[in-house]
Amino acid sequence: DAGVIQSPRHEVTEMGQEVTLRCKPISGHNSLFWYRQTMMRGLELLIYFNNNVPIDDSGMPEDRFSAKMPNASFSTLKIQPSEPRDSAVYFCASSGRPTSGGASYNEQFFGPGTRLTVL
Amino acid sequence: RKEVEQDPGPFNVPEGATVAFNCTYSNSASQSFFWYRQDCRKEPKLLMSVYSSGNEDGRFTAQLNRASQYISLLIRDSKLSDSATYLCVVSANTNAGKSTFGDGTTLTVKP
Repeated sequence: DAGVIQSPRHEVTEMGQEVTLRCKPISGHNSLFWYRQTMMRGLELLIYFNNNVPIDDSGMPEDRFSAKMPNASFSTLKIQPSEPRDSAVYFCASSGRPTSGGASYNEQFFGPGTRLTVL
Repeated sequence: RKEVEQDPGPFNVPEGATVAFNCTYSNSASQSFFWYRQDCRKEPKLLMSVYSSGNEDGRFTAQLNRASQYISLLIRDSKLSDSATYLCVVSANTNAGKSTFGDGTTLTVKP
């Protein structure tokens, strides 16, 4: 398996522009998580889905942020309009049925992240 | 109070040293416990799960004390390659629900 795939890996945009981050979870996993990481605030959970349904979006900072999961193999996180304080690394992670190696349902596999810079 | 609290460090130790990290959690209903490792500018990756009976993986030993709501990670004979941030992770369920990550403890192993 290719692991969790995120795109783009780097994004530089100007304040006010729309930003869309994409994630493909590991095939067979039924939970998907979006995180934001900064030096000041650490790793913050923004939203998570279970079986494509948003379960907890209490971490979404404000209405400028939205996330969708139209099917089991794709999710997007959108910021519109973007602001400089949104600059961070955004990680997508998935979890689900353990692999034959014995990982638990709660082991989260992270993608490489999208490094977002808003000027 | 944060749900998961860790000593942020940094811990600076010489090669070969033994170092221990501690973590406390506030939700007594927590069911699953993990240590993750995050290298600089990389994503977090699972280091090891933590079981009630304690578990060992090579130079790494993890222990859980449910009564005190406390998790520890012990690294023996530390290597330069152990330099990273170690994240304590706690989950209140066992079915792919959300987990709470600590802010991490930074370890630097020096020659």
